[in-house]
Amino acid sequence: EIVLTQSPGTLSLSPGDRATLSCRASQTVTSNYLGWYQQKPGQAPRLLIYGASSRATGIPDRFSGSGSGTDFTLTISRLEPEDFAVYYCQQYSSLPNTFGQGTKLEIK
Amino acid sequence: EVQLVESGGGLVQPGGSLRLSCAASGFIFNNYWMHWVRQAPGKGLVWVSRIGSDDYSTTYADSVKGRFTISRDNAKNTLYLQMNSLRDEDTAVYYCARHSEVAGLSPLGSWGQGALVTVSS
Repeated sequence: EIVLTQSPGTLSLSPGDRATLSCRASQTVTSNYLGWYQQKPGQAPRLLIYGASSRATGIPDRFSGSGSGTDFTLTISRLEPEDFAVYYCQQYSSLPNTFGQGTKLEIK
Repeated sequence: EVQLVESGGGLVQPGGSLRLSCAASGFIFNNYWMHWVRQAPGKGLVWVSRIGSDDYSTTYADSVKGRFTISRDNAKNTLYLQMNSLRDEDTAVYYCARHSEVAGLSPLGSWGQGALVTVSS
């Protein structure tokens, strides 16, 4: 089983700041089959990034993903008020399709 | 518009059973792999199970293997999760989710709103 470790656990920033979230895998994620999701309170998760770096339909270009192998990053270039939420990475290259434990992005 | 609507959640005693349903619309249901993902109160997302589009191949997380059964009725555009021998730690919101692409490995591009399952005496 691939274990995903996200850091930091909580990130306190202000609107307009740049956010950098990390996801580290215990084994290589084949073909960079790594996705990022955003979840707001009381809502279902929403897919932001797939294939480590491709934006899903309708996702603003301030969201970007990078990385390969075992180290991946989600960057939000300029935080908008609606971006404060919990973010999860997920690998879908092997079963079980594991999630990271999440990073909470909160307003400073 | 893709829609996934879960139903069947509720309160059940430890050792009991419950069946969740997920009604799908807005896409060709039998073209897509489908998954169940759960989230305990205040906790993160945990993948539970998946089922193939037409070959009905199924896979489970170790924590539910032998107790949960995923199935689908393509004629009714519905996904199911039969949950038996429920434990306190199965308490969670259960989401059904669809692959974002028809073929190959892909992330979960569409999600339902979730169904709350509470296991308690």
